[in-house]
Amino acid sequence: DSGVTQTPKHLITATGQRVTLRCSPRSGDLSVYWYQQSLDQGLQFLIQYYNGEERAKGNILERFSAQQFPDLHSELNLSSLELGDSALYFCASSVSSVTGELFFGEGSRLTVL
Amino acid sequence: AQRVTQPEKLLSVFKGAPVELKCNYSYSGSPELFWYVQYSRQRLQLLLRHISRESIKGFTADLNKGETSFHLKKPFAQEEDSAMYYCALSSGTYKYIFGTGTRLKVLA
Repeated sequence: DSGVTQTPKHLITATGQRVTLRCSPRSGDLSVYWYQQSLDQGLQFLIQYYNGEERAKGNILERFSAQQFPDLHSELNLSSLELGDSALYFCASSVSSVTGELFFGEGSRLTVL
Repeated sequence: AQRVTQPEKLLSVFKGAPVELKCNYSYSGSPELFWYVQYSRQRLQLLLRHISRESIKGFTADLNKGETSFHLKKPFAQEEDSAMYYCALSSGTYKYIFGTGTRLKVLA
């Protein structure tokens, strides 16, 4: 499958812990976007990377960080987890750094207990 | 600031009835507008974008800059149109933001 892949699909952890979510973009896509989807909140834009560089930042908490590696995969690190961080985290990729169609992964569901 | 508003969380219509999913945006420049759809157990995917002016699966959307709207319309709803629909805006600052989504239920 050459689409966007995200791991893990499901993750259950405790408050105060740290987790890493991983995203591999579609082959050829240089741009990676991260979104958080909480109940009734829609898709909240967190951050965008293009070819390894941060390009745009949304409402990303200081406890969260991300990076894009030379092989273009990206990781979203969530630390000091709180109950409210429980959500579905989506990664999307695109060819362009500016606009165009986004291709989404299936998401990583994080549950913080 | 950029913002996308979808006022309806849920829209229920009968099969064969017209559908209009509302989307309003706030952006001072010239944005690119999109509609994305998520069918049950499938990934979020692009339905249409305003610059292409296409009709996809019978859906159309016209960008109204005066009203800052990009409503999605279909003259005759089908049961297979039942899904979650998201309006999205992309700007020159690279931010790609989404509305809160509208769940469309097409009743038999």
